Amino acid sequence: GESVGLHLPTLSVQEGDNSIINCAYSNSASDYFIWYKQESGKGPQFIIDIRSNMDKRQGQRVTVLLNKTVKHLSLQIAATQPGDSAVYFCAEKNGQNFVFGPGTRLSVLP
Amino acid sequence: KAGVTQTPRYLIKTRGQQVTLSCSPISGHRSVSWYQQTPGQGLQFLFEYFSETQRNKGNFPGRFSGRQFSNSRSEMNVSTLELGDSALYLCASSAQPGRASLYEQYFGPGTRLTVT
Repeated sequence: GESVGLHLPTLSVQEGDNSIINCAYSNSASDYFIWYKQESGKGPQFIIDIRSNMDKRQGQRVTVLLNKTVKHLSLQIAATQPGDSAVYFCAEKNGQNFVFGPGTRLSVLP
Repeated sequence: KAGVTQTPRYLIKTRGQQVTLSCSPISGHRSVSWYQQTPGQGLQFLFEYFSETQRNKGNFPGRFSGRQFSNSRSEMNVSTLELGDSALYLCASSAQPGRASLYEQYFGPGTRLTVT
């Protein structure tokens, strides 16, 4: 499949452990954030979103935390599974456009 | 409900040629956005169309253009191709543009363009 990024930061996690993927965003005025998952050969897939008036939002096995003070976003994946192996991007809504982070490659070890 | 479809999936062109890529959004979605993804630059916004009108445009040269039809299908065109245009071109559809509480973009699988 397509290579999303040849030199992406990589996070290796043991199957069953929790994963934490971090993202620093650039614009303090951004009011909406999304996490995407991109598997090899596929387009990005929406995982979870959060608005700037929230600090935390939970989905199924995933939690997004927003720290506006330091412009930091994190994605927590509980009980990481082999199917979670992918590249994960954060995106911030900056005006009318989305700006994407470089991505982190999550590798799940058996 | 069928997802976003993009055609062709793979394309090889030579420098100086032009190319047209096609995107069919999810049924009922009226907003279509295009992105370029490269290993060096990551995902970069090209433009967004809603109801046949270009709403937003990223920082790409005028060689990159697009349009949207009345059935919400969209095409993007790149003229006078350069080697640096080699990338994965992704299309994303959403029901409405710009409303944070409803804004979910659904991406297609992309078209891999190689310029030689």
